[in-house]
Amino acid sequence: GQQLNQSPQSMFIQEGEDVSMNCTSSSIFNTWLWYKQDPGEGPVLLIALYKAGELTSNGRLTAQFGITRKDSFLNISASIPSDVGIYFCAGQRLGSGGGADGLTFGKGTHLIIQP
Amino acid sequence: DTEVTQTPKHLVMGMTNKKSLKCEQHMGHRAMYWYKQKAKKPPELMFVYSYEKLSINESVPSRFSPECPNSSLLNLHLHALQPEDSALYLCASSLSDWTGELFFGEGSRLTVL
Repeated sequence: GQQLNQSPQSMFIQEGEDVSMNCTSSSIFNTWLWYKQDPGEGPVLLIALYKAGELTSNGRLTAQFGITRKDSFLNISASIPSDVGIYFCAGQRLGSGGGADGLTFGKGTHLIIQP
Repeated sequence: DTEVTQTPKHLVMGMTNKKSLKCEQHMGHRAMYWYKQKAKKPPELMFVYSYEKLSINESVPSRFSPECPNSSLLNLHLHALQPEDSALYLCASSLSDWTGELFFGEGSRLTVL
């Protein structure tokens, strides 16, 4: 299947610091998405990106869809304790049958915040 | 109602048991999904239903049998599972299978003894 390279694998940061993570792929995706998963819960959608070059913000989160359509980054500004969790990038391609091929997830970035 | 509800939250079963996982949504979504997730790993797609028809089966072993009785319900029937099938099983739904904007349930934690 398709591979998404997500980095870093984990981050230990101080509260108040900015965070940056990214995903790259050897293939083009039509849509890039960022999800966050808290322990014991399912992933929750943070941001969806649909156009190459698109830059979208959601509160302290900012994400961009790379111009080549093969990468995306997520920034979190002024981190707070509730930002702790696992962040997954996900890419979606349209299938030959007309629907989507399903999401391909990156391996996740574990964010740990030290007070 | 913007929730995807999964039951049971925890399930322990032997390798000879037959059990089912259930998923329900009332958002009018026409695509529903089963994902399998191992600890500290990303979700892996198992099945996609679009308008109550199975549209994607990611080469899942036949001991997992999905069923979509109607547009709000999705079941996963389990039979003769192996210990390596122990995982968190996530159900998700979306407006259609064209969008990657999925709503996930909290998951069913399955342990196979």
